[in-house]
Amino acid sequence: NAGVTQTPKFRVLKTGQSMTLLCAQDMNHEYMYWYRQDPGMGLRLIHYSVGEGTTAKGEVPDGYNVSRLKKQNFLLGLESAAPSQTSVYFCASSSFTPTIYEQYFGPGTRLTVT
Amino acid sequence: QQQVKQSPQSLIVQKGGISIINCAYENTAFDYFPWYQQFPGKGPALLIAIRPDVSEKKEGRFTISFNKSAKQFSLHIMDSQPGDSATYFCAASKETSGSRLTFGEGTQLTVNP
Repeated sequence: NAGVTQTPKFRVLKTGQSMTLLCAQDMNHEYMYWYRQDPGMGLRLIHYSVGEGTTAKGEVPDGYNVSRLKKQNFLLGLESAAPSQTSVYFCASSSFTPTIYEQYFGPGTRLTVT
Repeated sequence: QQQVKQSPQSLIVQKGGISIINCAYENTAFDYFPWYQQFPGKGPALLIAIRPDVSEKKEGRFTISFNKSAKQFSLHIMDSQPGDSATYFCAASKETSGSRLTFGEGTQLTVNP
């Protein structure tokens, strides 16, 4: 049981390049999330999904797109990377339980845009 | 607009001491308040959580105190240990949000031996 995995772990991009971050979970969770973590700003929600085939915008969605074609996978895309997108990206998942909102996080992807 | 404000940004405590981290929220619709712990190079992990129908929750050395009228909650770590050195995030959620969490800015805790 691997939990939440993220690919790649590290990446360096040049301004204007594109890339896709992959998140996979093996816990059969309905909900999945993408966050970015920047010093002094906590974790900010980029996009999230409440089920296969559905996505929604979070707090900081500009410059990112997502897709959830399979329940276990959640992809985050950067179409034209900018230095402001240098950050650590975390994927998380959770199950639909009315009383428990625990989110399980992956190990993160450190992205540098030069 | 930061709906959950956390302080202090960093905290240094001696081994055996008490670590206290505070959070304040604005949205009265929030009904779930977790604390996450993050070690360097790792993703955050749930540490302890509370709902507003109780004023305190304790799990081992970790206690959440909740003040609904003041819209504040805090994490107390008793008998702090070097292994507790990590970044701590408070968060808040509401049942109608689909488990979405709003996080505080984080507190970097260092426990000196």
